[in-house]
Amino acid sequence: DSGVTQTPKHLITATGQRVTLRCSPRSGDLSVYWYQQSLDQGLQFLIQYYNGEERAKGNILERFSAQQFPDLHSELNLSSLELGDSALYFCASSLKLWTRSLNEQFFGPGTRLTVL
Amino acid sequence: GQQVMQIPQYQHVQEGEDFTTYCNSSTTLSNIQWYKQRPGGHPVFLIQLVKSGEVKKQKRLTFQFGEAKKNSSLHITATQTTDVGTYFCAGNSGNTPLVFGKGTRLSVIA
Repeated sequence: DSGVTQTPKHLITATGQRVTLRCSPRSGDLSVYWYQQSLDQGLQFLIQYYNGEERAKGNILERFSAQQFPDLHSELNLSSLELGDSALYFCASSLKLWTRSLNEQFFGPGTRLTVL
Repeated sequence: GQQVMQIPQYQHVQEGEDFTTYCNSSTTLSNIQWYKQRPGGHPVFLIQLVKSGEVKKQKRLTFQFGEAKKNSSLHITATQTTDVGTYFCAGNSGNTPLVFGKGTRLSVIA
């Protein structure tokens, strides 16, 4: 158990719909990251928040948005869903923003999104 | 932008054989991390390398960071069925997020 929680575990929805994925980081971690993992694909970095502020954006579609709340939990909103958005979405957290010293990321169990 | 390439994509080995996965970056890295994802699981941090030429060992696993800090490798000696999973390298350059390779999926045949 990494200490990172994600809800829901599974989500099945239809094209065109909107969903919200939720993540609670490990206690004390200030950085939250969102990743998308499709079949046979690596981990595609979507976005990072640190202490409530957006700090880095990766290959995140304009239909996707995220935020980190004062209690440090984060939500990833996916709208106008398409079949190709079906994937495993991971949230990860770390203590620091980025640094040369140890800054491992702790991953949650993921949310499996299926768009029909 | 920064790219991290990992080879091979798949590797099937007999139990007891050795296994190596290689990671190459298009840019010089500040550090490199390795993660393991078991089938149906989530990535789990294994190690971080920071220094040029650094070599670290964890039991049967040996991690290396190249002299130029643009490549890395993970070597597993005498694989076991518990080593099954996908191994990812991830690196960053300065104040940038980690970029993950696509991973090497290891299958171990008992």
